[in-house]
Amino acid sequence: DIVMTQSPDSLAVSLGDRATINCKSSQSVLYSSDNKNYLAWYQQKPGQPPKLLFYWASTRESGVPDRFSGSGSGADFTLTISSLQAEDVAVYYCQQYYSTPWTFGQGTKVEIK
Amino acid sequence: QVQVVESGGGVVQPGRSLRLSCAASGFTFSSHNMHWVRQAPGKGLEWVAAIWSDGSNKYYADSVKGRFSISRDNSRNTLYLQMNSLRDEDTAVYYCARERLRDNCIDYWGQGTLVTVSS
Repeated sequence: DIVMTQSPDSLAVSLGDRATINCKSSQSVLYSSDNKNYLAWYQQKPGQPPKLLFYWASTRESGVPDRFSGSGSGADFTLTISSLQAEDVAVYYCQQYYSTPWTFGQGTKVEIK
Repeated sequence: QVQVVESGGGVVQPGRSLRLSCAASGFTFSSHNMHWVRQAPGKGLEWVAAIWSDGSNKYYADSVKGRFSISRDNSRNTLYLQMNSLRDEDTAVYYCARERLRDNCIDYWGQGTLVTVSS
């Protein structure tokens, strides 16, 4: 199974500051035949289901503000919020869909400092 | 609009069975692979099972293999999860989720249904 490890587990950022979340997979999730990283990012707010933010590691889902960006390749990925807003308080998860069983990172809780 | 609505959750004793349903609407259900993902109280997300659009292939997490069974009825636009031999650690909110065509990621999630395994 591919193990997804996020860091940090939580972070507190001032409004308007940058938030950076890292995600490492235990093996590459880059599929050589199509040169795509099978990695998604989700945002989950309390009491709500997860919401898709990025797929193919860096393709922003429609409607996601451009202050969010996804980057990385192979086994190292990053989700960045360039200017944290109050509505961004949530838990963020990375997830690989390269192979079954699909696996999630443990989640990173983002709070306001 | 795309909707997936789970039902069938509740309180069940250890060792007993429960069947979850997920009613889909607003999209061509028979074209999409579908998934169940669960979340224990206060914990992270755990992928549980997946089924191909035509039901020909099914995949399970090791934690539920041999106990849970995923199925679908494309004529009723409904996804199911049959859960047998339930354990305390199966207590969670169970989400039904749609896999996007071509992009292969999960793009829509239901609101979830809570399953509590307790004596």
